[in-house]
Amino acid sequence: GENVEQHPSTLSVQEGDSAVIKCTYSDSASNYFPWYKQELGKRPQLIIDIRSNVGEKKDQRIAVTLNKTAKHFSLHITETQPEDSAVYFCAALGGVGANSKLTFGKGITLSVRP
Amino acid sequence: ETGVTQTPRHLVMGMTNKKSLKCEQHLGHNAMYWYKQSAKKPLELMFVYSLEERVENNSVPSRFSPECPNSSHLFLHLHTLQPEDSALYLCASSQGRVRETGGPNNEQFFGPGTRLTVL
Repeated sequence: GENVEQHPSTLSVQEGDSAVIKCTYSDSASNYFPWYKQELGKRPQLIIDIRSNVGEKKDQRIAVTLNKTAKHFSLHITETQPEDSAVYFCAALGGVGANSKLTFGKGITLSVRP
Repeated sequence: ETGVTQTPRHLVMGMTNKKSLKCEQHLGHNAMYWYKQSAKKPLELMFVYSLEERVENNSVPSRFSPECPNSSHLFLHLHTLQPEDSALYLCASSQGRVRETGGPNNEQFFGPGTRLTVL
């Protein structure tokens, strides 16, 4: 089955700096990759996603890049703000049709220092 | 509120107890999910229901028993749990099953979770 790993497990950046969070996946057939943000004590929420036929997607200060050859995808946050502090989960959709399944990584804790 | 509610928010139970977790979604979605979230571990998918039919059971022990009486409600019945079952149990729903085509069907809306402690 699919195995999703996130690196590093924690990341601390200065407010205003950029943050990059990387995920690797094992199933080369995986074709959809969402990112979820979970603030302390709150529920996970989708912030951006990318399909395998696209190399990059942007939404204001966040962007996701996908390298299918290397089987990794990354979340980029520019001009970080304290409210960006949260746990970020990546996921990969593997399998086909009714057997498709979303596999999550362990999550990365991002801390933005004011 | 995201439209997905869970009750109770906190639950403490002994290993011999029987309890149930409830999830309700008010979004008109057709797929519902149970996840287990433990510290420093990935979100673990437990069960998937699509149009009230269970389509996935990820080798979850039989002491966890899901029930989906209709597309808006999902239950997780708990019986003779172990201390290692202590975790945050999250319910989620989506318009349809997550598909590689992306789009609005894919976004999973999570509930606030039930913090379960097994003594």
